Amino acid sequence: QSALTQPPSVSGSPGQSVTISCTGTSSDVGSYNRVSWYQQPPGTAPKLMIFEVSYRPSGVPDRFSGSKSGNTASLTISGLQAEDEADYYCSSYTSSTTYVFGTGTKVTVL
Amino acid sequence: QVQLQESGPGLVKPSETLSLTCTVSGGSISNNYWSWIRQPPGKGLEWMGFVYYSGSTNYNPSLKSRVTMSIDTSENQFSLKLSSVTAADTAVYYCARGSGWTGHDYWGQGTLVTVSP
Repeated sequence: QSALTQPPSVSGSPGQSVTISCTGTSSDVGSYNRVSWYQQPPGTAPKLMIFEVSYRPSGVPDRFSGSKSGNTASLTISGLQAEDEADYYCSSYTSSTTYVFGTGTKVTVL
Repeated sequence: QVQLQESGPGLVKPSETLSLTCTVSGGSISNNYWSWIRQPPGKGLEWMGFVYYSGSTNYNPSLKSRVTMSIDTSENQFSLKLSSVTAADTAVYYCARGSGWTGHDYWGQGTLVTVSP
């Protein structure tokens, strides 16, 4: 199974919005609403930010939102803050009944 | 608050078996899926597989021939064994709650395992 494709990096100024894409295939992202997003600051464990495409766990700011269209899922961070600087990974269920992560995106707050 | 803690050797020799245990506290290991995810230094996350509290498992096809996951509900622990390791298996190994279906909501802090003579 191949990793889902994410842009290596995105950046934005405080207060701006950034969107991270996560492109898969019809065998994973395109067929299942089982996409999750994780935030990983340097040297720490990943933290679940979005599950089932667009649901936020308790405690995650509503600045974080998820969506999906076809084979591509997206994570949008609105009102970007310095504390949002981290690596972000998507994950999806696959038709092989396994899971696959994305290649990861580094978000930089300018 | 559920907490997970990985434990095991930080150094494993090539061709040997890597063994890690994850201890769950603050909640029961029952009625949940428990996963292993690894991250080579400077690289992305790789889903290794999960074990259900009943003992059923599901592994990443790329690792299936070398990986075994098990669970001990009496000790609130689950384990990972990866055989015939090479330098490519050097990574931070994380244990996490969930299979990925609704996301992994609790993670251990991760433990670095280095494969080297």
